[in-house]
Amino acid sequence: KNEVEQSPQNLTAQEGEFITINCSYSVGISALHWLQQHPGGGIVSLFMLSSGKKKHGRLIATINIQEKHSSLHITASHPRDSAVYICAADTGNQFYFGTGTSLTVIP
Amino acid sequence: DAGVTQSPTHLIKTRGQQVTLRCSPKSGHDTVSWYQQALGQGPQFIFQYYEEEERQRGNFPDRFSGHQFPNYSSELNVNALLLGDSALYLCASSPGWGSSEQYFGPGTRLTVT
Repeated sequence: KNEVEQSPQNLTAQEGEFITINCSYSVGISALHWLQQHPGGGIVSLFMLSSGKKKHGRLIATINIQEKHSSLHITASHPRDSAVYICAADTGNQFYFGTGTSLTVIP
Repeated sequence: DAGVTQSPTHLIKTRGQQVTLRCSPKSGHDTVSWYQQALGQGPQFIFQYYEEEERQRGNFPDRFSGHQFPNYSSELNVNALLLGDSALYLCASSPGWGSSEQYFGPGTRLTVT
């Protein structure tokens, strides 16, 4: 079993839809990261959180430490949001990554 | 301020050969981590360097080795390449040992034929 599980694996949405990507982890963490990876490989760090909720523009990330679960929400989705979103658990010693959620937003 | 840079961008090698990938961390960062990302998979942790020493290592064979230089830049070396080593190799830098902040480079795409 992987230390980090994401769902769904693939997601297609119409422009403007509200999107939720889920992440469950089984390790003890010092922080949980959400990353965005565009075609070609470049990774951008979206959020680093250890409790509660963070918001940046149309992106919202939440975490429930007791349930070992985090969600990434995208409001008013746009085609430029199309990318792979990766959840990563930071144990303080190393990172464990989910396999990613491939998001396609259709105009 | 340059972010994390990696070279080369793409590389094609033959099975059995050796390869060296390079990474320059973001300015002010002294910790470098390397990851291997196979197609369709999340990145897998290879190892982390701090103060020119390997501090943490993932589940990778000894064919994977690294080095960190006094200017904090780092190299990843892979010997006796296998077809399965074909992947995107990502470097990430952090502002200090134990920091959760990670800034990723663009990656080096290695193809082994």
